[in-house]
Amino acid sequence: NAGVTQTPKFQVLKTGQSMTLQCAQDMNHNSMYWYRQDPGMGLRLIYYSASEGTTDKGEVPNGYNVSRLNKREFSLRLESAAPSQTSVYFCASSYRQSTGANYGYTFGSGTRLTVV
Amino acid sequence: GESVGLHLPTLSVQEGDNSIINCAYSNSASDYFIWYKQESGKGPQFIIDIRSNMDKRQGQRVTVLLNKTVKHLSLQIAATQPGDSAVYFCAENIEGYSGAGSYQLTFGKGTKLSVIP
Repeated sequence: NAGVTQTPKFQVLKTGQSMTLQCAQDMNHNSMYWYRQDPGMGLRLIYYSASEGTTDKGEVPNGYNVSRLNKREFSLRLESAAPSQTSVYFCASSYRQSTGANYGYTFGSGTRLTVV
Repeated sequence: GESVGLHLPTLSVQEGDNSIINCAYSNSASDYFIWYKQESGKGPQFIIDIRSNMDKRQGQRVTVLLNKTVKHLSLQIAATQPGDSAVYFCAENIEGYSGAGSYQLTFGKGTKLSVIP
């Protein structure tokens, strides 16, 4: 029962560096999400993928790109990291019916990113 | 919205007592609600959910109550244990087949529950 797996767990970047956060789920969920969690701001949606082959912006997409590689994997890329992107990043997934009902929202354990 | 962490509301309860954590949600159109538990250094863990066609749902040691009239959600934990110590979040969602908003969970501020042994 792996659920949602995120790598790496910790990362320190210098301003301007790039990196990709990886996320994979083994629950056959069709929808996947990237959130960031900051003190004072709670959890905010960066991007989501309603189904394999589609991605859309969430509340705070600037400075990020995503790729839904297949049904299992959804990656988040920082092309040029900035200190404002220091945060804890969570990947999540859910099974979404054609009615729009969501089931089984599951979060990964997070990636703690520091940009210096 | 409220701050998570720095100004987090805190609830302290004695081990064995019942806990009630409250949440005021923001959107009257929301029709799906989830309670999450987040332990230090971990991701949010699903506890229980409820849809707007219900006003109460029970799980193992937990009960969620929904009052749509006043947009209020509560989580009741029976016989609170030290392992229940964590931050608890409510999240709301507008379900429906169309609309980008229906994919976004909006999270509440969180309440820190501390269990006194």
